[in-house]
Amino acid sequence: DSGVTQTPKHLITATGQRVTLRCSPRSGDLSVYWYQQSLDQGLQFLIQYYNGEERAKGNILERFSAQQFPDLHSELNLSSLELGDSALYFCASSKAGVLETQYFGPGTRLLVL
Amino acid sequence: AQTVTQSQPEMSVQEAETVTLSCTYDTSESNYYLFWYKQPPSRQMILVIRQEAYKQQNATENRFSVNFQKAAKSFSLKISDSQLGDTAMYFCAFTDSSGTYKYIFGTGTRLKVLA
Repeated sequence: DSGVTQTPKHLITATGQRVTLRCSPRSGDLSVYWYQQSLDQGLQFLIQYYNGEERAKGNILERFSAQQFPDLHSELNLSSLELGDSALYFCASSKAGVLETQYFGPGTRLLVL
Repeated sequence: AQTVTQSQPEMSVQEAETVTLSCTYDTSESNYYLFWYKQPPSRQMILVIRQEAYKQQNATENRFSVNFQKAAKSFSLKISDSQLGDTAMYFCAFTDSSGTYKYIFGTGTRLKVLA
């Protein structure tokens, strides 16, 4: 158990809908990262937050947005969902958001029908 | 650009034997970390081993060890005494001090341990 929690574990929805994925980092970690894994591919970086502020963006679609709240939990919002958004979404956390180990949550499996 | 390459999509090994998974990377930074992650059927990302670039000594964790060749930008994972529970996808990952500290992952190697 990494100490990072993600809810829900599974999500099934329809095209065009909007969903919110939630992540709680390890106690004491200030930085949260979101990654997307499609079809047994490697994980792709989406976005990073540090202590409530957006720090870095990857190839995140405009239909996707995220935020980190004062209690440091983070939410990833996916809207106007398409079939191709079906994937495993991982959250990871680290202490300072610098060169260090990130700890991964169990992921949220999203299926868009 | 930073890249991570895993050239072996699939591998198999007999139980109790040794197997080596390959990974190469590219960066212009001198300060970076390399990782191997295991992803079993549960899809959880499990950290297997970490290597800091400034350390000359290869990292070891029980049956798992790495061969870190900095000049060649190579980072292979050796699994000794393979067990059925080692069956999983293995991802090589990399992060450096160039700015975002994001992880860059390879495409993975699917390892099957045969009884």
